[in-house]
Amino acid sequence: TQLLEQSPQFLSIQEGENLTVYCNSSSVFSSLQWYRQEPGEGPVLLVTVVTGGEVKKLKRLTFQFGDARKDSSLHITAAQPGDTGLYLCAGAVAGGTSYGKLTFGQGTILTVHP
Amino acid sequence: DARVTQTPRDKVTEMGQEVTMRCQPILGHNTVFWYRQTMMQGLELLAYFRNRAPLDDSGMPKDRFSAEMPDATLATLKIQPSEPRDSAVYFCASGLTYTDRGQSNEQFFGPGTRLTVL
Repeated sequence: TQLLEQSPQFLSIQEGENLTVYCNSSSVFSSLQWYRQEPGEGPVLLVTVVTGGEVKKLKRLTFQFGDARKDSSLHITAAQPGDTGLYLCAGAVAGGTSYGKLTFGQGTILTVHP
Repeated sequence: DARVTQTPRDKVTEMGQEVTMRCQPILGHNTVFWYRQTMMQGLELLAYFRNRAPLDDSGMPKDRFSAEMPDATLATLKIQPSEPRDSAVYFCASGLTYTDRGQSNEQFFGPGTRLTVL
């Protein structure tokens, strides 16, 4: 069973601060995704990383996939109140009937105060 | 604007009652997932289908939960009998996955059904 551990579970910061969320596993994933979920809604995909060491940027968000494809990080620069939400990482395993199936981390609840 | 739809959005019921949740996946998607989300357990996969065939329902309590896809436009999750510990938000997600071009694992989530069992 592949497990993804996210840290921290809760993050409360002031507008303008930087933050990093980590997603770690002992398993290798073929790809890793980050989702953001707002209250009363389902998660929405932010990014998919596929190659070990890959770095992707989405405005103020920077995503990195570990070289060994076992871990990932999400860094937000100059956080804004609109970044508030639940951030979930999810790993995919290649091959067999499991392709398409994702294992989700527990999530990080981010609150950005004005 | 293609979206996954779920009904009902909210359901309050009493212990022992049957609950049926419905999901309409995005047209053309071949994979449908059912998840349950709670504060304690996070997002748990209950079951999923590809091309309407069940692939994995190991996350589901078999004695009371059942998931079906009567056709490509409808997925259902049924709980009978419901218990207070089933109270959670249930999400349906759909995606397009195929093996000949590698994986395409983006999942599109519906808004969820908030279930409260008293």
